[in-house]
Amino acid sequence: EAQVTQNPRYLITVTGKKLTVTCSQNMNHEYMSWYRQDPGLGLRQIYYSMNVEVTDKGDVPEGYKVSRKEKRNFPLILESPSPNQTSLYFCASSQGTTQYFGPGTRLLVL
Amino acid sequence: GEDVEQSLFLSVREGDSSVINCTYTDSSSTYLYWYKQEPGAGLQLLTYIFSNMDMKQDQRLTVLLNKKDKHLSLRIADTQTGDSAIYFCAETSGNQFYFGTGTSLTVIP
Repeated sequence: EAQVTQNPRYLITVTGKKLTVTCSQNMNHEYMSWYRQDPGLGLRQIYYSMNVEVTDKGDVPEGYKVSRKEKRNFPLILESPSPNQTSLYFCASSQGTTQYFGPGTRLLVL
Repeated sequence: GEDVEQSLFLSVREGDSSVINCTYTDSSSTYLYWYKQEPGAGLQLLTYIFSNMDMKQDQRLTVLLNKKDKHLSLRIADTQTGDSAIYFCAETSGNQFYFGTGTSLTVIP
């Protein structure tokens, strides 16, 4: 089944404790992206990647890092999480016009 | 970044038509999209329209694009309770995607 998977689905952490949210797709898509969803703000793009070893900043990249060492994986790294990064995070992949979204990761930073 | 705006809430009676509106700022957008998000789920692409089109119909869904006014709308005919969800419009500018705030559609039985 074609899908985008994210792990973990839920995470509670404390300020400053590094964390990684994994994202994997099995559709051989070149384009992958991370978004955060906040009430009243919709989805905002954090980082995107056009292909392996190619990553670019989206609208809200501060406090986040990404890497794209393999085509299927696009992890999101929070080196020193802060409470304002409490949010719902979505990974997506696409080839052409259709983006496929993962199920989301709900992060709470205390 | 680009601005994509939507009203936050819409309520309709079951069987009526729903119209969800969106305005955007980037006149060079290539594609404009409508996504649906059901509670606790990710986003699902409903439909998209290429910027050189002004209308697209897909079963109960009709997308209208007014490029001059930078206005996009989604009409859902014969709205059902299963259509209750958050609807996002989105545009691409270069390699980036810009989403609206989402419109929460409530269908009243």
